[in-house]
Amino acid sequence: SYELTQPPSVSVSPRQTASITCSGDKLGNKHASWYQQKPGQSPVLVIYQDTKRPSGIPERFSGSNSGDTATLTISGTQGIDEADYYCQAWDSNTVLFGGGTKLTVL
Amino acid sequence: QLQLQESGPGLVKPSETLSLTCSVSGGSISSTNYYWGWIRQPPGKGLEWIASIYYTGTTYYNPSLKSRVTISVDTSENQFSLKLNSVPAADTAIYYCAGGGYTYGHPFDYWGQGILVTVSS
Repeated sequence: SYELTQPPSVSVSPRQTASITCSGDKLGNKHASWYQQKPGQSPVLVIYQDTKRPSGIPERFSGSNSGDTATLTISGTQGIDEADYYCQAWDSNTVLFGGGTKLTVL
Repeated sequence: QLQLQESGPGLVKPSETLSLTCSVSGGSISSTNYYWGWIRQPPGKGLEWIASIYYTGTTYYNPSLKSRVTISVDTSENQFSLKLNSVPAADTAIYYCAGGGYTYGHPFDYWGQGILVTVSS
């Protein structure tokens, strides 16, 4: 079965760039989405169709997807970006989530 | 702006059926190109997709749960529902209802606040 793999944790200093990866076989041929989830809150869609930002999502969030890896990039990371991030894709009529990455802003 | 709200019992006994409803406001559940789904999250763990239903009525299920799950839509009430049969304690989780309308990738743009369902006798 298809799987999406994320690093369990990523650390970044304030105002620096954070990159969170999501790996899956030929993931670049699918359409990756990314969600941000803060403690006690519902997930929020921050990137869809690899690179697009929903209305209201800051420009510092961007995405890319090529080969076997999709990447969520947060430029000028702020303390409010500290959260869990999940990638998601659609394969063989099923929704798949990655295991999640905890982003820590040190 | 669509708003989703889950409702149902917070406690279910092992081997019984978990039944949840998601009420949709701010738009029609029958809107073209929209899909609706259920996702769960065990305490302290990641997200797991359970099922989705399109505006056409087409359903999709997580293969690992398919034998126990039914998702359905009630257009007259503008809500959709989840039934999960024969629940074990491992089905304890926060259950989210969600919706989206994008063409590719099945992303969920709208989420409910989630409802904690505990499976325990």
